[in-house]
Amino acid sequence: EAGVAQSPRYKIIEKRQSVAFWCNPISGHATLYWYQQILGQGPKLLIQFQNNGVVDDSQLPKDRFSAERLKGVDSTLKIQPAKLEDSAVYLCASSPHGGQPQHFGDGTRLSIL
Amino acid sequence: GENVEQHPSTLSVQEGDSAVIKCTYSDSASNYFPWYKQELGKRPQLIIDIRSNVGEKKDQRIAVTLNKTAKHFSLHITETQPEDSAVYFCAARYFVGGSQGNLIFGKGTKLSVKP
Repeated sequence: EAGVAQSPRYKIIEKRQSVAFWCNPISGHATLYWYQQILGQGPKLLIQFQNNGVVDDSQLPKDRFSAERLKGVDSTLKIQPAKLEDSAVYLCASSPHGGQPQHFGDGTRLSIL
Repeated sequence: GENVEQHPSTLSVQEGDSAVIKCTYSDSASNYFPWYKQELGKRPQLIIDIRSNVGEKKDQRIAVTLNKTAKHFSLHITETQPEDSAVYFCAARYFVGGSQGNLIFGKGTKLSVKP
């Protein structure tokens, strides 16, 4: 079975610019997660979707981050405007349903200049 | 807030030796504890997990033990090989309101296996 697909793999932008990441989960997986992984730390959940609805976005900095999963499959995560502290790897994960094992994509490495 | 502490942050062993990584969690309602292996520049990969109704689980050279009373769980790797070198993350599922729960991760342990 195909894994979680993410693009782009790398992105370099200047602070105050905007950026978007895309994720395609494993086919049939209803639950999709976006994580932020800062160098040397474990992944930190930003937002969880169940189909096209938000289950948990308590740790999403909503003044600059937004995410959507309009048709309950693909998802995009956007940052606008970016800050230096947003430099991190952004990981997408999916699971058949909430509470079941999560499978990660390769992530997008974001560098802010 | 909820927290997962992971120790040690780095671990170096000789090939063939055993490695043990320990984690403690704060939410007594946590009921699911996965372990992920992340090689440099690659995705975290689920290697083993355990649920709170089980005290131990084994998969070939990897085992996980859980002590619910003490709120800690450990990863054991026996007969280590150079390809086991990676960063290992533990996680615990915590619950927010009536949700199905989400994972909170430890900070990771960098394991180096020397040939």
